Amino acid sequence: AQRVTQPEKLLSVFKGAPVELKCNYSYSGSPELFWYVQYSRQRLQLLLRHISRESIKGFTADLNKGETSFHLKKPFAQEEDSAMYYCALRGKDTGRRALTFGSGTRLQVQP
Amino acid sequence: DTEVTQTPKHLVMGMTNKKSLKCEQHMGHRAMYWYKQKAKKPPELMFVYSYEKLSINESVPSRFSPECPNSSLLNLHLHALQPEDSALYLCASSQASGLADSYEQYFGPGTRLTVT
Repeated sequence: AQRVTQPEKLLSVFKGAPVELKCNYSYSGSPELFWYVQYSRQRLQLLLRHISRESIKGFTADLNKGETSFHLKKPFAQEEDSAMYYCALRGKDTGRRALTFGSGTRLQVQP
Repeated sequence: DTEVTQTPKHLVMGMTNKKSLKCEQHMGHRAMYWYKQKAKKPPELMFVYSYEKLSINESVPSRFSPECPNSSLLNLHLHALQPEDSALYLCASSQASGLADSYEQYFGPGTRLTVT
């Protein structure tokens, strides 16, 4: 069965420090991986998709098939990055239709 | 219009009540989803509709009954719920074809349900 693991419930850093939110997955085949973010009092929204290899709001994420990881990184955290971050996988368990979410990591960026 | 709307925002119901949650999108998406999110937990998939047909039911109890009357609307009918069903119910939509480089689920703000 496909599974997504985010080992950290909470990550607290100071403004300007580097950030790495960890995500590991279990999936047989080629996964599609995403990072979703939920800011306070806002709806869940897409941040990154692995296939696009883009940088959004300074965040990047690289798919490492050997380590089955898709960690989210940002070199210099900003206070406005404080939010709940979910790693998600779209795979054949749900007919490549729906998302399986990790448990989420709350990022707190302190001034 | 790139929003998914959900009504009501909050709902309190007794265990013998019947109520419905409503979700609407006008992005032309032909896939719509219901997720359940308990406090401090990730969203858990309940149902997927594709082209107005139920394609995935994640073993959800029959006291939850989904309905997709047309391509823009998705309902979730509730009957004889239990207190443990109290949660945030999220609706989402996406393109049904779901090509990897453009796939995105758009989420609504959710309906916070309390069962007393």
